[in-house]
Amino acid sequence: DAKTTQPTSMDCAEGRAANLPCNHSTISGNEYVYWYRQIHSQGPQYIIHGLKNNETNEMASLIITEDRKSSTLILPHATLRDTAVYYCIVREIRNAGNMLTFGGGTRLMVKP
Amino acid sequence: KAGVTQTPRYLIKTRGQQVTLSCSPISGHRSVSWYQQTPGQGLQFLFEYFSETQRNKGNFPGRFSGRQFSNSRSEMNVSTLELGDSALYLCASSLWEVNNEQFFGPGTRLTVL
Repeated sequence: DAKTTQPTSMDCAEGRAANLPCNHSTISGNEYVYWYRQIHSQGPQYIIHGLKNNETNEMASLIITEDRKSSTLILPHATLRDTAVYYCIVREIRNAGNMLTFGGGTRLMVKP
Repeated sequence: KAGVTQTPRYLIKTRGQQVTLSCSPISGHRSVSWYQQTPGQGLQFLFEYFSETQRNKGNFPGRFSGRQFSNSRSEMNVSTLELGDSALYLCASSLWEVNNEQFFGPGTRLTVL
């Protein structure tokens, strides 16, 4: 699976959009981009995933560049409960395996 | 529907002992994965089971082992505990062999003294 690079930490004001970038310049054509987050003292939580089209669900939006070398997770109206470590993961969906390779992630602090 | 449950939530052991951790996946889920989380190494994949078969294994020594039962419940065992095994051990379940979304439990916090 391709390696990802994320900023170590970011701050965001409550109510504003949080834009979390991720670089995955070595991504291959059959690899998807996944985002998970981990709130303190809890297990990681799935947020969203995509291949090449932009995706949106009730939690967030995922914007993937046309060359697929980077992506941005957008939390449209961040709340204090969105304070967490956000992990960008690139993963090939193969015939077997649900293994996730986590990097260091971005620690997002939402401030009042 | 109940989430992934892990027992015990906290555990204290001494070096040289062994430990068994348990994970009950969401009802109907057949895939269970285990991860170790430490401040230094972050989240690292241990192994994954599907229908009682180990499908993938991470880069951990043979002291770490696991199994899955016919009801999809899973256990992992660590023998001859070392101080460095102190970590949060997380279990994740998913419905099929390959899924987009995995559901994580709250973890077992293991402290080795």
